[in-house]
Amino acid sequence: DVQLLESGGGLVQPGGSLRLSCAASGFTFSNFAMNWVRQAPGKGLEWVSSIIGSGGNTNYADSVKGRFTISRDISKNTLYLQMNSLRAEDTAVYYCAKSSGQYYFYSYMDVWGKGTTVSVSS
Amino acid sequence: DIQMTQSPSSLSASIGDRVTITCRASQGISNYLAWYQQKPGKVPQLLIYAASTLQSGVPSRFSGSGSGTDFTLTISSLQPEDVATYYCQKYNTAPGFGGGTKVEIK
Repeated sequence: DVQLLESGGGLVQPGGSLRLSCAASGFTFSNFAMNWVRQAPGKGLEWVSSIIGSGGNTNYADSVKGRFTISRDISKNTLYLQMNSLRAEDTAVYYCAKSSGQYYFYSYMDVWGKGTTVSVSS
Repeated sequence: DIQMTQSPSSLSASIGDRVTITCRASQGISNYLAWYQQKPGKVPQLLIYAASTLQSGVPSRFSGSGSGTDFTLTISSLQPEDVATYYCQKYNTAPGFGGGTKVEIK
């Protein structure tokens, strides 16, 4: 069974940092692009960032560019999202999602984790 | 950036009704369009990809159509378990979601 398990969420003050992790199992991690998608309370889905299977290419939403960094450790089958300079508007449930192919473009998201909650407040 | 616009933002229909949700892309995206269902308090689930291909395990009352800029998700006979918010997502380049359509039972 393909599984994704996020961790690392919590309460952080504005301007603070947090690192999210997503442990993957049940598939060859390096063969698939991975994504972070967030959902603010009562709002819709917002794409945050993606990384290709090999890890050599990344992409970010304008709202997080320059503040968030996506990475992956193939030896640990783990995806990360380093979040710096956090703002109140970053408060959301953060989902890790597997792409259907090697690249995040031309690939849909076929498996989602249960999410981890990030709250940014003083 | 290509914007995805869904309509309506919400709808209420009776059990057995045919329900149609529309998704429009601001530029052509060929058939690189997926639909997701998110039930209240749950994780999004893939329904349809490549605009019209049903994901394994998804009931056949769900169908998708369209290409280019205009796409449709249809539920042929609405069931109580279909109460959810539905999102379209483009994937020809970086991912992008529509605003969602909340489906309720009348």
